[in-house]
Amino acid sequence: AQSVTQLDSQVPVFEEAPVELRCNYSSSVSVYLFWYVQYPNQGLQLLLKYLSGSTLVKGINGFEAEFNKSQTSFHLRKPSVHISDTAEYFCAVSREGGSYIPTFGRGTSLIVHP
Amino acid sequence: DAGITQSPRYKITETGRQVTLMCHQTWSHSYMFWYRQDLGHGLRLIYYSAAADITDKGEVPDGYVVSRSKTENFPLTLESATRSQTSVYFCASSPGRNSGNTIYFGEGSWLTVV
Repeated sequence: AQSVTQLDSQVPVFEEAPVELRCNYSSSVSVYLFWYVQYPNQGLQLLLKYLSGSTLVKGINGFEAEFNKSQTSFHLRKPSVHISDTAEYFCAVSREGGSYIPTFGRGTSLIVHP
Repeated sequence: DAGITQSPRYKITETGRQVTLMCHQTWSHSYMFWYRQDLGHGLRLIYYSAAADITDKGEVPDGYVVSRSKTENFPLTLESATRSQTSVYFCASSPGRNSGNTIYFGEGSWLTVV
């Protein structure tokens, strides 16, 4: 089985500052990794995903994430955040060749202050 | 491209009543899921389905019933609603391993049981 840990439940940051949301996973086999964003009163929207290939993945809204196999991490970054990035962010992992049900982290609330 | 639609989006019901939340997807995805989202608990899987007429229990199935007579529909029924079932419910679908088990979510159904 796989598991996901989002190390911060809440990340406050000022507008135009850089941000990193941390995600670590555990799995004994190769994995697929995902970041989802949930804006207030909305569903979860796929931000980006890593399936294979380049370890640096670019997503929507200027976000990117880097898959680090040795550190079992998939941290999400944005060089300059906007007020509109205020949302809940979920990391998820799925095992290659395993169950089709991804495991989700508990979420990180990104709060962007003006 | 309609994607996944959930109805109703908002519902208030009384304790003991039966409630059905509808979910319809237009992608012909094989896999479908129902999650509930509560503060402090993150996303919890209620039921899932690998294909029409194949359903399985997730993490928190008690008090819920699902069916999947057609690939595109996956209704969730609360047989006798309780206050503890007040929550936000998300339906989701996935094409499966070819997509790395990428899950796509609906907009959510806000249910209040009084």
